[in-house]
Amino acid sequence: GEDVEQSLFLSVREGDSSVINCTYTDSSSTYLYWYKQEPGAGLQLLTYIFSNMDMKQDQRLTVLLNKKDKHLSLRIADTQTGDSAIYFCAESINTDKLIFGTGTRLQVFP
Amino acid sequence: EAEVAQSPRYKITEKSQAVAFWCDPISGHATLYWYRQILGQGPELLVQFQDESVVDDSQLPKDRFSAERLKGVDSTLKIQPAELGDSAMYLCASSLGPGDEQFFGPGTRLTVL
Repeated sequence: GEDVEQSLFLSVREGDSSVINCTYTDSSSTYLYWYKQEPGAGLQLLTYIFSNMDMKQDQRLTVLLNKKDKHLSLRIADTQTGDSAIYFCAESINTDKLIFGTGTRLQVFP
Repeated sequence: EAEVAQSPRYKITEKSQAVAFWCDPISGHATLYWYRQILGQGPELLVQFQDESVVDDSQLPKDRFSAERLKGVDSTLKIQPAELGDSAMYLCASSLGPGDEQFFGPGTRLTVL
């Protein structure tokens, strides 16, 4: 079945690292994505990882994939107030259809 | 920078009324998606178009929802009649083709009273 789960809320101090976690159930997922949604806005693709990879780094973002446990994480280094938003993980089924998680609200305080 | 345009941004309607949302994808994008995002949840795909053809509408409540993309460019999503449970954000996205990066519009927030 298709089910993507995330913790609802994360609060971090500015300058610290943030780690947002996600679990998924469909082992046939091809790609796994992280999207950012700011208030009143649509979704912005942050990064993605192919299912045969276990890590991808892109500037302040690091994605870790544990395919055995179906666990995906997004680490944001040196978190800034501008990183405050809702973060969604998503898996792609048959390379096209996206199944989104429930979203994690990241709050960054000074 | 090219963006997906949606209108209106906000819509308040009474139940049993008809509502319509419009989406203009990025020029040249053949694939267009409509998603519904209920407050506190992730987006859920309602319908996917490839050019003017529907390729996936398995989650579209067809008794009250309809979607069209007549010339394979812009698209309209209609609800008739609206119900209280339809209150949500309706997001449109487009991509060059199936499997390519999806670019999202700002959404239309619908409130049904």
